[in-house]
Amino acid sequence: KQEVTQIPAALSVPEGENLVLNCSFTDSAIYNLQWFRQDPGKGLTSLLLIQSSQREQTSGRLNASLDKSSGRSTLYIAASQPGDSATYLCAVDTGGFKTIFGAGTRLFVKA
Amino acid sequence: GAGVSQSPSNKVTEKGKDVELRCDPISGHTALYWYRQRLGQGLEFLIYFQGNSAPDKSGLPSDRFSAERTGESVSTLTIQRTQQEDSAVYLCASSLTGEANTEAFFGQGTRLTVV
Repeated sequence: KQEVTQIPAALSVPEGENLVLNCSFTDSAIYNLQWFRQDPGKGLTSLLLIQSSQREQTSGRLNASLDKSSGRSTLYIAASQPGDSATYLCAVDTGGFKTIFGAGTRLFVKA
Repeated sequence: GAGVSQSPSNKVTEKGKDVELRCDPISGHTALYWYRQRLGQGLEFLIYFQGNSAPDKSGLPSDRFSAERTGESVSTLTIQRTQQEDSAVYLCASSLTGEANTEAFFGQGTRLTVV
């Protein structure tokens, strides 16, 4: 059974810091891995999607990497801002419309 | 059944017609999400319902898309004047609360094909 773990569960950093969020999964047979952002009371905003054949994706200050063989993905956020404060979710698509989400990392960026 | 149920499982419609997709969440789940998944792509968030709060419609791609939910029960996603670009699998998920660390349970999806 695919399990997705995110570390740390919570993170508080001062504005301007670069940070890394980690996601690990137990079964490397995935179709893609997606990073989402969730703000309180809101739905999910997709940040980056990495297909199983890719190793990384970049969007603005965000960079996500994927190492399928070791079952790991990282989300790198450069020059963090208070507006980045949210919960970040990693989701693994295992096919058959089964997307497994991690529990999330709650990020707080202090001004 | 105890899971999230979606109907129909498959829908083929002619371009320009309206379609209605249904989602029955797990009983007691206050949060309900609709996603779209185009072939070979990840989940695209469409809309989020949380209890009796105003829904988050920020993901709806155009005004042809709308969704309703009565209380904490059934939700319907309506697409008016369907276009071929609307062809995708539409997934519904529910969770006990809207907190990010509660597991979301997905239905099997409705595969929509617009011809």
